[in-house]
Order: sequence, then structure tokens, then C-alpha cells
Amino acid sequence: QVQLVESGGGVVQPGGSLRLSCAASGFTFSSYGMHWVRQAPGKGLEWVAFIRYDGSNEYYGDSVRGRFTISRDNSKNTLYLQMNSLRPEDTALYYCAKDLQKEFNSGWYGDFWGQGTLVTVSS
Amino acid sequence: EIVLTQSPATLSLSPGERATLSCRASQSVSSYLAWYQQKPGQAPRLLIHAASNRATGIPARFSGSGSGTDFTLTISSLEPEDFAVYYCQQRSSWPQITFGPGTKVDIK
Repeated sequence: QVQLVESGGGVVQPGGSLRLSCAASGFTFSSYGMHWVRQAPGKGLEWVAFIRYDGSNEYYGDSVRGRFTISRDNSKNTLYLQMNSLRPEDTALYYCAKDLQKEFNSGWYGDFWGQGTLVTVSS
Repeated sequence: EIVLTQSPATLSLSPGERATLSCRASQSVSSYLAWYQQKPGQAPRLLIHAASNRATGIPARFSGSGSGTDFTLTISSLEPEDFAVYYCQQRSSWPQITFGPGTKVDIK
């Protein structure tokens, strides 16, 4: 069965950095694009970033472009999110999600999600 | 940016009743729309993709319809486990993906 386990969250000061990881199992990781989606406390869902199945292309939401970097290591079945220049408004539960479509150039929908890792940006 | 609006914000119903949730897009998204269910403390779960296709393992009481700017998620007869928040999501404006603000279905 598909499993996605996020880690790396924590408390960080404004302007700081953090790297999140998402360990994947139960499917052919190298065949699917992957998303990061976040949810601020008590709020709705916000798409953060997507990476193509082979890691050759990355796409970002407007609020994080230039500060966050999505990457993947298909040999380790792991997805990453490097977050720099963090702001209080980046405080959220960060989910990784597997894309529905196999070997596609673009992102579609998240058909399996992890349980999330909490990032708190505060001084 | 394509903005999704969901209505109502809250829907109060009893088990066994029919639920009709609406998602409206600020411009056409064709059929590039999905619905998710999220229960407290849990991750979202994909229910419907491409406007009307049930995801794997989703019960038949969930159905989606619509195209262009107006979409509907219908739960034909509410089960106790269906009380949750429901989000719509579009990918028509790729490489941007946006979610609606959600509709909470709670017990009347």
C-alpha cells in the first residue's frame, strides 16, 4: 500500500531555513510526479510545489517561488522541500502528495497524501 | 489566477440526507477539477477527479458533475463518516493549482 511519511518540521525563526523530507513506499516512486501542499492552522489547502517524476522540472506557487526548492532522490524514494527565508505566514502543516498520473509532464491531482509535518515560523 | 468559490460554507444535514456542494470557478477550468474530503486531524483524501471520475475505493454515493465554471459534488445519502470538510481543486491553469476555501458538512 502507498505510504508517504513526512519529517523535518519544527520551529524556526523568521528568515531561517528548514528542509522537509517525504519518504515514499508502496509504489514506483520514480514514475510519479510529487506535490507539496500546505495548510495553515485552521485554514484551507494551498498548493506549494510540484516536481516531475524524473526530477527534470519543478513548479512553484507564487507565494514561495524563489524561496523554496523542491527536489527528489529516486534512488532513495524520497522527496524534499528546502525552505529558505521563512516568514511567519509560512507556518503550516506541510503535506507531500503523490500525483494521480503516471509519467506526466505536469501536475494533476494528489491521490495519496502523507500525514504532514508542522512548520512553525516564530521568533 | 483562477479563483474557486465554494458554497455553502457550512451545510448542516442529518445522516441519510442528500448533500449537494457547489464549486464555482472565476473562469472556465474545463473538466480539470477534483474534490477532496478532509476529516479533523487527517490528510485530505481524493474523492473525484476530472470533475466526475470517482477515485479508487470511493463509494458510489459520492458523485461529481459539471464542466466549465460550475461543479457539484453530491453525496446521495450521508453516512456518519461523511461529516467532514470538502475542497475542490483545479489544475486548468497549470502550472498553477488552486483550491477552494472548503465546505464543512456537519451534523444537524
